Amino acid sequence: SQQGEEDPQALSIQEGENATMNCSYKTSINNLQWYRQNSGRGLVHLILIRSNEREKHSGRLRVTLDTSKKSSSLLITASRAADTASYFCATVPGSNDYKLSFGAGTTVTVRA
Amino acid sequence: GAGVSQTPSNKVTEKGKYVELRCDPISGHTALYWYRQSLGQGPEFLIYFQGTGAADDSGLPNDRFFAVRPEGSVSTLKIQRTERGDSAVYLCASSLSSTTGELFFGEGSRLTVL
Repeated sequence: SQQGEEDPQALSIQEGENATMNCSYKTSINNLQWYRQNSGRGLVHLILIRSNEREKHSGRLRVTLDTSKKSSSLLITASRAADTASYFCATVPGSNDYKLSFGAGTTVTVRA
Repeated sequence: GAGVSQTPSNKVTEKGKYVELRCDPISGHTALYWYRQSLGQGPEFLIYFQGTGAADDSGLPNDRFFAVRPEGSVSTLKIQRTERGDSAVYLCASSLSSTTGELFFGEGSRLTVL
């Protein structure tokens, strides 16, 4: 079963704009991770945020985590055409260290 | 190799046939995972290995699916009596240990059952 749910399902933006997507989950977590998947390719890890962290940055990526609302957001600033991909959140439950549960993903299209 | 390698990249088979999918993880990674991804969906967990043993196979859909990792490195996912519903991309991932860090994914094996 998939714990995370991303919102929106799809997003289309102009190059240079910011893209924001959200992830909600159901049970307590140890950490939450975001992955990117280009069409027909494998998943690439973007960022990991632990349950005791509220915000994390990596380059043009900003991730927030609100454990009280069981939600996370991923912000991509100054988007580029190369950011066109599907983005997945994945949660690691507190009790099981290894089993990532993925959501259905947000498909982001960046128009040149 | 530098990354997780999966073969074949594409496999087309007929209903009822047997299929093997291979995963070669990053050297030194003790943890290995198999996921299945259907079109438009996120990956779904199938099985996790720590070393040679299957630490958790709770995601395998039924007894037609089996996976091995005999020497703690390469893993093979085996599907018997394939059905059309088995069509999906099978993703392999590895990580340095079973701790809660990032997973490194291969490009996947796309299985089509006719």
